[in-house]
Amino acid sequence: DAGITQSPRYKITETGRQVTLMCHQTWSHSYMFWYRQDLGHGLRLIYYSAAADITDKGEVPDGYVVSRSKTENFPLTLESATRSQTSVYFCASSELRQGGSPLHFGNGTRLTVT
Amino acid sequence: GQQVMQIPQYQHVQEGEDFTTYCNSSTTLSNIQWYKQRPGGHPVFLIQLVKSGEVKKQKRLTFQFGEAKKNSSLHITATQTTDVGTYFCAGLPQTGRRALTFGSGTRLQVQP
Repeated sequence: DAGITQSPRYKITETGRQVTLMCHQTWSHSYMFWYRQDLGHGLRLIYYSAAADITDKGEVPDGYVVSRSKTENFPLTLESATRSQTSVYFCASSELRQGGSPLHFGNGTRLTVT
Repeated sequence: GQQVMQIPQYQHVQEGEDFTTYCNSSTTLSNIQWYKQRPGGHPVFLIQLVKSGEVKKQKRLTFQFGEAKKNSSLHITATQTTDVGTYFCAGLPQTGRRALTFGSGTRLQVQP
């Protein structure tokens, strides 16, 4: 979807480094989400945000930090990357709260932690 | 916590054959959504089911929501190569933590 962009598309980092994944949406959706996708696990929610300055933990939040100072941006930071955080990360937005309306996903960031 | 199981994990069919994926929740759902993810792509919303026993069709795709709102299915009639991808269900529980939980997906391969 053109309305939600993630950067970078690919990232390789070393264990212990801090890395930030960016997410920007142009729909003015209130809700934004970060998911990670791993084989056999489907999509697991890391963090979500209901509005600017409101964030909450998802299913797998440990090792991640988020912020939402502006409605359109929702960066995800890995404070000290570990190999277990190697994954594909998807940002998504929706008009309504979880399950109330469709999720619109970005193209994803493939992160490799060496 | 809530679990959403999806079967099969993988299915390989000949073009023209039918395909069905099943989704089962450990708890009663408020609604269920279905997404399709093409290889190398991102999940794309297909449909949302809300009512008990609901059936919705999109061309060759038929979606059902169980009477007890604990299971759902997606059936594709006469598959085409464009149907290739992974199909995910995502359920929202009626009670408890109101978080959308995704199934692990069914990967569909279609042999021309």
